[in-house]
Amino acid sequence: QKEVEQNSGPLSVPEGAIASLNCTYSDRVSQSFFWYRQYSGKSPELIMSIYSNGDKEDGRFTAQLNKASQYVSLLIRDSQPSDSATYLCAVWDTGRRALTFGSGTRLQVQP
Amino acid sequence: DAGVTQSPTHLIKTRGQQVTLRCSPKSGHDTVSWYQQALGQGPQFIFQYYEEEERQRGNFPDRFSGHQFPNYSSELNVNALLLGDSALYLCASSPGQGAYEQYFGPGTRLTVT
Repeated sequence: QKEVEQNSGPLSVPEGAIASLNCTYSDRVSQSFFWYRQYSGKSPELIMSIYSNGDKEDGRFTAQLNKASQYVSLLIRDSQPSDSATYLCAVWDTGRRALTFGSGTRLQVQP
Repeated sequence: DAGVTQSPTHLIKTRGQQVTLRCSPKSGHDTVSWYQQALGQGPQFIFQYYEEEERQRGNFPDRFSGHQFPNYSSELNVNALLLGDSALYLCASSPGQGAYEQYFGPGTRLTVT
């Protein structure tokens, strides 16, 4: 069974620091990767997508992909208390034509 | 530009009952996928609808069924409800069946007692 693994956390960082969230996946042929943010009691919100090896930056967010190591990460610069949420890593399963999600990493940004 | 909408927001049902959840996709999107999210877990794929047909299905029993209408909106039906069906049900829409970005609606919180 294809898996997406994330550390459940909580990951606690001080305000203004860089938060680093990591994700590994088991399906070597995966090509499309997504990060979602989910506030408590709310639905997932898409924040980043990445398809090629390397870095992709969008504002304070940087997604990093290393297909050889089957590793995806999300960096949040200048972390704010409003960034406190659960971050879900999702990998596109070509066979099922669906997203496979990790269980999420809970981030806490301390003021 | 309206995003994905879902109804109802919350629902309480008794074991053995049936429930119907509804979803309208984001404007310009023709594909709807349904996910179930248990507390503390990531969303689990139930099935996907495209061109009014179920195209893909996850590891869910036949008690879970759905429908897509010509205007791309969709319904999720669950029969013979079990306590374990209590979860957040999420609808996601995308502009096609491929590895496109999927956008989620606010979800329906189902509680089975």
